[in-house]
Amino acid sequence: GENVEQHPSTLSVQEGDSAVIKCTYSDSASNYFPWYKQELGKRPQLIIDIRSNVGEKKDQRIAVTLNKTAKHFSLHITETQPEDSAVYFCAANKNTGFQKLVFGTGTRLLVSP
Amino acid sequence: DTAVSQTPKYLVTQMGNDKSIKCEQNLGHDTMYWYKQDSKKFLKIMFSYNNKELIINETVPNRFSPKSPDKAHLNLHINSLELGDSAVYFCASSQRNTEAFFGQGTRLTVV
Repeated sequence: GENVEQHPSTLSVQEGDSAVIKCTYSDSASNYFPWYKQELGKRPQLIIDIRSNVGEKKDQRIAVTLNKTAKHFSLHITETQPEDSAVYFCAANKNTGFQKLVFGTGTRLLVSP
Repeated sequence: DTAVSQTPKYLVTQMGNDKSIKCEQNLGHDTMYWYKQDSKKFLKIMFSYNNKELIINETVPNRFSPKSPDKAHLNLHINSLELGDSAVYFCASSQRNTEAFFGQGTRLTVV
């Protein structure tokens, strides 16, 4: 089955700095890679996603890159703000057979003013 | 209207009791999930239910049993609750290989 590893587990940056979170997946059949943000006491919510036919996707200050060969994908947040502080999860899924959205272990991002 | 709703939001119960958590989605999605989030914030998939096929995560004790009366509902029943079952349980739904929407979570505390 799919296994998703995520690093780092915690990340502290100063406001305005960039933050990068990295994930690796094990199932080469996975083709959908969403990223979720979970604020304290709230539900996880999608912030950006990428499919395996695309290498990079950007939405304002956030971007995701995908390296299918290496089975790596990363989240990049530029010009971080205190409100970016949250736990971020990567995930992987495939479009064949049963659906099983598997999450990474999460990264706690702290942005200090 | 809430897309994915689960009840109750909080559940405090004694060891050994049986409890249920209900989940409903009004998005017309064909896949529903149950996740357990422990104190370390790990989101572990427990069950995936799509196209009338229930996929059970083999690490989930058989005290946990999902029940889906129809595509819009996936309830979670837990027998003989243990202290280690204390966690936040999230229901989620998605259309095949697209964004999953989460419910607000149920914080279960077993005392």
